Amino acid sequence: NAGVTQTPKFQVLKTGQSMTLQCAQDMNHNSMYWYRQDPGMGLRLIYYSASEGTTDKGEVPNGYNVSRLNKREFSLRLESAAPSQTSVYFCASSEIRTDTQYFGPGTRLTVL
Amino acid sequence: EDKVVQSPLSLVVHEGDTVTLNCSYEVTNFRSLLWYKQEKKAPTFLFMLTSSGIEKKSGRLSSILDKKELFSILNITATQTGDSAIYLCAASNYGGSQGNLIFGKGTKLSVKP
Repeated sequence: NAGVTQTPKFQVLKTGQSMTLQCAQDMNHNSMYWYRQDPGMGLRLIYYSASEGTTDKGEVPNGYNVSRLNKREFSLRLESAAPSQTSVYFCASSEIRTDTQYFGPGTRLTVL
Repeated sequence: EDKVVQSPLSLVVHEGDTVTLNCSYEVTNFRSLLWYKQEKKAPTFLFMLTSSGIEKKSGRLSSILDKKELFSILNITATQTGDSAIYLCAASNYGGSQGNLIFGKGTKLSVKP
């Protein structure tokens, strides 16, 4: 079991470029999440998907879009990257009706 | 607004010391309190607490929840350099979106040899 995997591990973008962060889980979890982590700010929820076919905004959704491709995969897209989106991005998943989330290794994104 | 506050924000101790990390919360319809350990990469799950006064224990780590006073503590006894990490506290609530966690900013623990 790989758990939660994320690609890429690192990425550098120029302002205005677009990219998609990929996340997959092999634990058969229904719910998946995208967070960003900035120094001194803790983890902040960007978007989540309670189950396949649904997505909802979290605390900081502006500038991002998501796609729940199937039960395993949940992607995060930056359409026009901005320096304020420089951060470490974590994907997580959980069983339905449970609170324990399991995290991927993260993607470190720098926007110049 | 729901919030989780951790203290201290950082802590430096020597191997063998005992440390106590604090987490207070103000969360509407509180459901559970979770602790995670974050080393270089992904946060890894330590404990989930839902009932007041019941200690959860795993080796040298233990945690307890006080739902009346709205806080939790994480204790680490006989600290080792491998305990150096950021410890994150998170709260969940009923009625909000299923499974969403509200995280504190974390306590950075450094254990010196």
